[in-house]
Order: sequence, then structure tokens, then C-alpha cells
Amino acid sequence: SAVISQKPSRDICQRGTSLTIQCQVDSQVTMMFWYRQQPGQSLTLIATANQGSEATYESGFVIDKFPISRPNLTFSTLTVSNMSPEDSSIYLCSVEKAGGGSYGYTFGSGTRLTVV
Amino acid sequence: DAKTTQPNSMESNEEEPVHLPCNHSTISGTDYIHWYRQLPSQGPEYVIHGLTSNVNNRMASLAIAEDRKSSTLILHRATLRDAAVYYCILRDGGWGAQKLVFGQGTRLTINP
Repeated sequence: SAVISQKPSRDICQRGTSLTIQCQVDSQVTMMFWYRQQPGQSLTLIATANQGSEATYESGFVIDKFPISRPNLTFSTLTVSNMSPEDSSIYLCSVEKAGGGSYGYTFGSGTRLTVV
Repeated sequence: DAKTTQPNSMESNEEEPVHLPCNHSTISGTDYIHWYRQLPSQGPEYVIHGLTSNVNNRMASLAIAEDRKSSTLILHRATLRDAAVYYCILRDGGWGAQKLVFGQGTRLTINP
């Protein structure tokens, strides 16, 4: 399976500021997925990042708030913009090694964000 | 997105087998059944997946009903380290990476 390095592992940020989270994969993958996990909740998909095109956002998430970059097949960033305390969550990236459903997905260890 | 239904929580004893059920009555013919678990303070971890036949790996077994409308994740001998939230997810079988949609999962507690 792929190995994901996600940075930072945690951060405490002031409201109104932005934080960029990095996700590095040890192999080339077509799509990368970004999730949010609010305290005590399950994972919610924010967007799918495809190299060479704009990210596809899920309902309730917009590019102005969560801009995503995907400069190559092994790297992606998610920015949480103009943060408020409601953005305090764990943010995770995920990849699938190959398509077709015949492989599992790998998740990063997450970025624990606290907005004060 | 096809949905799954799991019990909110289950409890078992150490060194005993655990059967975690999942209902997916609206599953389509090409959907794979994936199971992941999330240990405290970690990202989800792949456990097992299958399409039609039962599957075994070093972590668990997956028993799939003949009509594929339900499945059961089997931990043969639970340890304290198996305490986690277990997610049953349907993954579209289309080629190219497909998004995973998480439900609430089953929180498994293991008693010593």
C-alpha cells in the first residue's frame, strides 16, 4: 500500500488566519481525497484532488474556504482559510493505490487543528 | 452513494471472536465492500475488502451474504488493541479512484 506523510500533525491557530496542510505520497496516484473529522464524528469528504484539473468539492464545501493544490502525482495541499473555531477538526488525506476497487485506501495520520 | 447501516457500538471480551455486522441493502453489482478501522488518535486503517466471496487476511475475515445485502467482519480473537471504530463502506467498482463515503461506524470496546 502507499505511504502518506501529512504535515503538520497538529497546530493551534488564531481565528481569521489560514493554515496549509501538506500531503506527500511515496508513489504516483491519480486522485487524492481530503477529509474532515469534527470532534467525536465520522469522516466527511471535503474534495477530490485530481492532478491537472480543479478539485471537485462535496456539497457544503467551497473552494474559497478550502483551496486545494495538486501540482504533481505525489503531492497535494489543503488550505483552511479565514479560520473560525468551527474549523477545529482533524483533516486527513487519503489515496487509493490503484483503481477498480481491488485495493484498499491509505490514510494520512491527520492534522489536528485547533482554532482559538 | 450507496449506504451502509451498522450498530453504533458493540462490546466483547479479550480473546473471544467478534462479529461486526453491516447491512447494505442497496448495494449494486459492482460495489466492493470495504472495511476500515480507526484507532484512537489515528487515521483510518484498511482492514479488508471483498466483492462476492468470503475473504481472509491476517487481520480479519469478511463474510458476505449470498445476496450481498449484508456482510460481517470477523475478528477471530480480539485483543485490547482491536478497540476502535469500524467502518463498513461501499466502494463503487468503476475504474479510477472512487471516493469513500463514511457512515458513523461501530465503536468496538474490548474488555480485558
